[in-house]
Amino acid sequence: QSALTQPPSASGSPGQSVTISCTGTSSDVGAYNYVSWYQQHPGKAPKLIIYEVTTRPSGVPDRFSGSKSGNTASLTVSGLQAEDEADYYCCSFGGSKVFGGGTKLTVL
Amino acid sequence: EVHLVESGGGLVQPGGSLRLSCAASGFNFNIYWMTWVRQAPGKGLEWVAHIKPDGSEERCIDSVKGRFSISRDNAKNSLYLQMNSLRAEDTAVYYCARDGGFYKFDSWGQGTLVTVSS
Repeated sequence: QSALTQPPSASGSPGQSVTISCTGTSSDVGAYNYVSWYQQHPGKAPKLIIYEVTTRPSGVPDRFSGSKSGNTASLTVSGLQAEDEADYYCCSFGGSKVFGGGTKLTVL
Repeated sequence: EVHLVESGGGLVQPGGSLRLSCAASGFNFNIYWMTWVRQAPGKGLEWVAHIKPDGSEERCIDSVKGRFSISRDNAKNSLYLQMNSLRAEDTAVYYCARDGGFYKFDSWGQGTLVTVSS
């Protein structure tokens, strides 16, 4: 079975907004509101930035937001900053493949 | 503050064994599902295995079934991953993570590198 599908790359200029998609199935993303997103900088452990589709943990800037429509979840980063350059992974409860393949976000 | 520290990684020959440990502190370890996630060099995250708070239920991915075993010792606030019959494709950084519920991995260790090579 395939992992959740994410675009391999995304980019934007400082101050712009970027949206990263995560496409699953009716058994995972479409079935549950348990989608989470993780940010990973090179050589570092992943960090939870969104859970339960839309909720930000304490300390995560409100520039990060999540949403879901049908079998596709999305992460939007508004007001891009240089430190947002990282890999981003989606994750969903329900499927046999837990994580998406990851998206490398480049701040131009 | 939640703290997870992995240890036990290293270089091992194909067919060999390693036991990874994850020491937990700063939270009530015995009420959380705990998970191992790995990341091969230059690749994405891969969920490997998880275990119920009381240790009575566990699950792992097909590619490690029969070779890897997850366990925990709640008295020692520790999580383990016994890895046998290691293969080159098991080479990865292995992270332990706390599952805050329904795959909300809210705390991660720094990872330990396992290299399987002759």
